[in-house]
Amino acid sequence: SSELTQDPTVSVALGQTVKITCQGDSLRSYYATWYQQQPGQAPVLVMYGENNRPSGIPDRFSGSSSGNTASLTITGAQAEDEADYYCNSRDKSGAQLYVFGPGTRVTVL
Amino acid sequence: EVQLVESGGGLVQPGGSLGLSCAVSGFTFNNSEMTWVRQAPGKGLEWLSYISRSGSTIYYADSVKGRFTISRDNAKNSLYLQMNSLRVEDTGVYYCVRDRSDGYEPLFDHWGQGILVTVSS
Repeated sequence: SSELTQDPTVSVALGQTVKITCQGDSLRSYYATWYQQQPGQAPVLVMYGENNRPSGIPDRFSGSSSGNTASLTITGAQAEDEADYYCNSRDKSGAQLYVFGPGTRVTVL
Repeated sequence: EVQLVESGGGLVQPGGSLGLSCAVSGFTFNNSEMTWVRQAPGKGLEWLSYISRSGSTIYYADSVKGRFTISRDNAKNSLYLQMNSLRVEDTGVYYCVRDRSDGYEPLFDHWGQGILVTVSS
């Protein structure tokens, strides 16, 4: 199956900007979808398509894509943004339908 | 209010079987694709299986193919996952998820609270 890669951890100062990246061959053909997971909770959809936020997701979250890399940017990070973030896309190889990235733990300092 | 409520988890011995159910409300179930996702303790998310609106199209991850069976009952607004030949590495929290991909990128917009499955002797 196709793989998606993410940095394991990133940190950001309160109020600053952080970019979380996801790389994989499938991202040349498909957009990434992004989920936020707080400890002990179910994941929450935060970004999909070219740059679409579900209702209720703050506009400090934005998405972008270039080549084999998708990015989720948090502009003006808040304490409540500290969480795990997972990217997700279709498996271009066709071995299975979908694949998740390993996740990025975002720490807000 | 959208609700997805999983049930049927618990402790099972390696090689055993377990059936999960997911009761759905708050959206039109028979017009919704559905997916199961799991998360091993302290690990990341893993997509397991997909089922189309009618149940005619099904996909599985390689890790569960041949052992797990996804199904649905649109009359009962319910999704199921039958898990056979369970292994220790199947231990984790299993999530029932609404999938709005409609043939494009995955779009898991509603998740259940998750149900714990523990495979151990």
